[in-house]
Amino acid sequence: DTGVSQNPRHKITKRGQNVTFRCDPISEHNRLYWYRQTLGQGPEFLTYFQNEAQLEKSRLLSDRFSAERPKGSFSTLEIQRTEQGDSAMYLCASTGQQSYNEQFFGPGTRLTVL
Amino acid sequence: AQSVTQLDSHVSVSEGTPVLLRCNYSSSYSPSLFWYVQHPNKGLQLLLKYTSAATLVKGINGFEAEFKKSETSFHLTKPSAHMSDAAEYFCVVSASGTYKYIFGTGTRLKVLA
Repeated sequence: DTGVSQNPRHKITKRGQNVTFRCDPISEHNRLYWYRQTLGQGPEFLTYFQNEAQLEKSRLLSDRFSAERPKGSFSTLEIQRTEQGDSAMYLCASTGQQSYNEQFFGPGTRLTVL
Repeated sequence: AQSVTQLDSHVSVSEGTPVLLRCNYSSSYSPSLFWYVQHPNKGLQLLLKYTSAATLVKGINGFEAEFKKSETSFHLTKPSAHMSDAAEYFCVVSASGTYKYIFGTGTRLKVLA
C-alpha cells in the first residue's frame, strides 16, 4: 500500500482522557502535515514537519496538543485532557520533492469526546 | 498572507447540466491552487492543480478549472453533472515556503435526478 494511513480510524473517549493518533506517510515523502476538520468546515492547518523537525505550529494547537515525528517517518498527534471541543476529524497528509506541492491525504481519525 | 473564498456554500444542479463552483483567492505571490473533492466518509481526493503552467487545468472525472490572475479566481467547471459528482468540494491555496494548505470553507454540490 503506497498511500497515507492513519490509525485509529475512530476514537471515542471521555472528557479529560488523553488520546494519541498515528500517521504513516508515503515512504519517500519528507513533509508531513496535520489538519483538523470540524463538521461543515474545511480542514484547518495544525502543524507541519520536514523530516523530523517540526517547523510550524498553528495557534489552533494549544499546549494540550503535541506532535512528534521521530526519525522522520511516522508521526503521532497527542491530545491531553481532551475537551468536547476537540471532537473533529484529524487528517494527516504528506508530500515530497517529486510531488510538486501536491499533498496526499490519509482517511483521517474521527475523534468523539463525550 | 494567503486566503481562499468559496462563494457558494451549496450548489444544486440537475443531472446532465453544467457545474460551476466558484473560488477566489488572495496571495501576494504566484500561488499554487488545487481543487479537492470529499465524498461522505471518504478521504480528500485531488481533482486538479494549478502550478503556474497552463492557465486552463484539466482534472479527473471531466472537471476543469481556469486560473485568472486578473480576477484572482480559480473556478471549477464540468460540462455535464453526474449523480456521482454529489460531494463536498474544497478550493485550496498552497502557502509559499511551508507549502501548507489553506482550505476554503467548501461547497456542497447536490445533483438532482
